[in-house]
Amino acid sequence: DGGITQSPKYLFRKEGQNVTLSCEQNLNHDAMYWYRQDPGQGLRLIYYSQIVNDFQKGDIAEGYSVSREKKESFPLTVTSAQKNPTAFYLCASSLTGERGGYTFGSGTRLTVV
Amino acid sequence: GEDVEQSLFLSVREGDSSVINCTYTDSSSTYLYWYKQEPGAGLQLLTYIFSNMDMKQDQRLTVLLNKKDKHLSLRIADTQTGDSAIYFCAESTSGYSTLTFGKGTMLLVSP
Repeated sequence: DGGITQSPKYLFRKEGQNVTLSCEQNLNHDAMYWYRQDPGQGLRLIYYSQIVNDFQKGDIAEGYSVSREKKESFPLTVTSAQKNPTAFYLCASSLTGERGGYTFGSGTRLTVV
Repeated sequence: GEDVEQSLFLSVREGDSSVINCTYTDSSSTYLYWYKQEPGAGLQLLTYIFSNMDMKQDQRLTVLLNKKDKHLSLRIADTQTGDSAIYFCAESTSGYSTLTFGKGTMLLVSP
């Protein structure tokens, strides 16, 4: 079955550490996205990529980095520069120009300890 | 910039109809979406409507769009306890632009 997989489901990070969240899709989608969700804040766009080897900053890119070396993969690194990283992170994908919306992964909950 | 507003909470009894409302500010919004999120999970696309449509019905779901007032609603008929979730409204101006999401409406269905 095609889908989008995020791992791990839960992640704990010590202050000052970088961590990488995985996002893989086998839907043959061109575009991939990372969102951050905080209670009462809705979804905020961190980074997105519409083609391999290219990506753009979203609304809250500071303290995060991404890469898009393969069509199927769009990992997100939360760096130590991100001052408040505890949140629920959602990855999504879509066909470029697709009017039917995004397919979301099941999310990764990151907690700073 | 674009903005999408939703009421934060709605409580209904099982069997009643639920109506979740959304307003948006971007007059060039072309595609409007409704997503459902259950606790601890990702978002699931429920339905979407193009701006050249006024209404779309899909089983228990009815979407109404008032372009003049930039108002979108999602009606769930015969609401069940399994419909309890957060519902997000989202809009985009083209198939090539990113989606802008509202903050979500938490629907609580009581028996």
